Amino acid sequence: GDSVTQMEGPVTLSEEAFLTINCTYTATGYPSLFWYVQYPGEGLQLLLKATKADDKGSNKGFEATYRKETTSFHLEKGSVQVSDSAVYFCALPAGGTSYGKLTFGQGTILTVHP
Amino acid sequence: GAGVSQSPSNKVTEKGKDVELRCDPISGHTALYWYRQSLGQGLEFLIYFQGNSAPDKSGLPSDRFSAERTGGSVSTLTIQRTQQEDSAVYLCASSTLAGGVYEQYFGPGTRLTVT
Repeated sequence: GDSVTQMEGPVTLSEEAFLTINCTYTATGYPSLFWYVQYPGEGLQLLLKATKADDKGSNKGFEATYRKETTSFHLEKGSVQVSDSAVYFCALPAGGTSYGKLTFGQGTILTVHP
Repeated sequence: GAGVSQSPSNKVTEKGKDVELRCDPISGHTALYWYRQSLGQGLEFLIYFQGNSAPDKSGLPSDRFSAERTGGSVSTLTIQRTQQEDSAVYLCASSTLAGGVYEQYFGPGTRLTVT
């Protein structure tokens, strides 16, 4: 079945450091890919998405490129801030449906220190 | 505009009692989803509604769990005879088509604690 694997956390960085959170997937066909973020005490928010191979999603300084060859969708940010501290989830629509349920990775906790 | 809202935000109940969790989706969103977030299991899908029907109930963990949606809007997730393993955060999402992709927007969740 479809699945998402994220790098194990937690990740602890200093402010202005470079961030990479790895995400690889197994899926039927070429589904859209998503990154969601969950700030402390809040619900999930869509951070960015990519709908086809080689697409780059970007938002709030974060980027991720849909790599079909390596079945990856790694999240990157050039200079993190304390306010980026959150849990990050990689996700895709399960079963090849664009409107159905999302399958999530296990989440990566990011802590950024001043 | 208003986002997805859920109530209550927190619920503490005794083992064996029934609970109802409510979700108000974004107006006009025809798709609605329930997920459960727990420390041990991560984020798990429970059920998906399109309008008032539920074409995918595959994630409901037992027959103690049920959900309904009325008027293509509000949804209620009911857990009967609650057990301690039901303790989790229950998240609701609604969905719209954007750029050819259905994007899911999540509510803040209901934290359920079964004592």
